[in-house]
Amino acid sequence: DGGITQSPKYLFRKEGQNVTLSCEQNLNHDAMYWYRQDPGQGLRLIYYSQIVNDFQKGDIAEGYSVSREKKESFPLTVTSAQKNPTAFYLCASTTRTGANYGYTFGSGTRLTVV
Amino acid sequence: GIQVEQSPPDLILQEGANSTLRCNFSDSVNNLQWFHQNPWGQLINLFYIPSGTKQNGRLSATTVATERYSLLYISSSQTTDSGVYFCAVSSMDSNYQLIWGAGTKLIIKP
Repeated sequence: DGGITQSPKYLFRKEGQNVTLSCEQNLNHDAMYWYRQDPGQGLRLIYYSQIVNDFQKGDIAEGYSVSREKKESFPLTVTSAQKNPTAFYLCASTTRTGANYGYTFGSGTRLTVV
Repeated sequence: GIQVEQSPPDLILQEGANSTLRCNFSDSVNNLQWFHQNPWGQLINLFYIPSGTKQNGRLSATTVATERYSLLYISSSQTTDSGVYFCAVSSMDSNYQLIWGAGTKLIIKP
């Protein structure tokens, strides 16, 4: 079945450590997105990518980095510069960029700083 | 930028009841979508509805773009309807990326 796979489901980060969240899709979608969700809030866009080897910053990109070397993969690195990384992270994809098209979401990664 | 406000923030109902969720937005939009997030965090698209009315089973949605609001109706609620319902909009001002409301948390009691 086609879909988006995020891993791991739970991740614990020590102070000063970089961690990478995985997002893989087999839907042949062009556009991929990373969102952050904090308790009781809506989603906020971190980064998005419309095509391979290209990506744009969203509203809260500081302290995060991404790469898009393959169409299927869009990993997110939470760097030590992100001072408050504890949150629920969601990856999504659409057929092509532009929010007119149906989004498919992964099941998310819960990141906790210990 | 565009502001999205959803109401009510929380709603607790008995199984079988009907409900209406509201989404107000502060500026013209070219896209409005409703999503449901289940208690385990999984998000799914419910409706793409920049204007007009759509229905899908027990759920329906209406967007009045000129008055900048959308309504999501849930009839004959079931416990599986529990979760958080989000409204998200986009426009040229947001570079066509979705701006999300804070959601309405719905609890359906058996």
